[in-house]
Amino acid sequence: GPKVLQIPSHQIIDMGQMVTLNCDPVSNHLYFYWYKQILGQQMEFLVNFYNGKVMEKSKLFKDQFSVERPDGSYFTLKIQPTALEDSAVYFCASSLDRGHNQAPLFGEGTRLSVL
Amino acid sequence: AQKVTQTQTSISVVEKTTVTMDCVYETRDSSYFLFWYKQTASGEIVFLIRQDSYKKENATVGHYSLNFQKPKSSIGLIITATQIEDSAVYFCAMREGNSAGNKLTFGIGTRVLVRP
Repeated sequence: GPKVLQIPSHQIIDMGQMVTLNCDPVSNHLYFYWYKQILGQQMEFLVNFYNGKVMEKSKLFKDQFSVERPDGSYFTLKIQPTALEDSAVYFCASSLDRGHNQAPLFGEGTRLSVL
Repeated sequence: AQKVTQTQTSISVVEKTTVTMDCVYETRDSSYFLFWYKQTASGEIVFLIRQDSYKKENATVGHYSLNFQKPKSSIGLIITATQIEDSAVYFCAMREGNSAGNKLTFGIGTRVLVRP
């Protein structure tokens, strides 16, 4: 079936550096999401994106975070600069449209380790 | 604000039996959607089943079914004839009907171990 792909699966960086997490959503999907999961905890909503714009973001989506999908390529989450508390698994998800009954498809996550 | 609570941290069952896990939610919306996902040992997150708040019938998909008790704001997941590969962490999630951004709010998860 259709899959959301996330690259890389694991990223290790030093605190203060910039990192970009890449997501390749399902090809005909229009809504994209990022979620953050700290080990052993629930997934927490960061942001969602549609038609080139952020639709909604949570308090976790700090000023250091940004998202974009230039020219229909990867949907990216950029963190600049990174902080220790940004260490987590970041999940990308996508859905076809904004139907509220649609279950987003999730990628396998990118584990970010900030040292 | 919406909130999803799963109070069972872990459940262990014998293969081929039934497991039931709880989830309660809070919302001010009259329309909302409830989802169950599972997260496998590899980290993969898989959508299992959905319940729309306006539907009285409990949703069923394969060996997954829901126990929707709207007055109690409760949406339990039932897995019948469990298999070893059902071992995973199960997350309950909710989306409010007027959510501008379609966000899902997740519970903390229930870890299920199916043993031989």
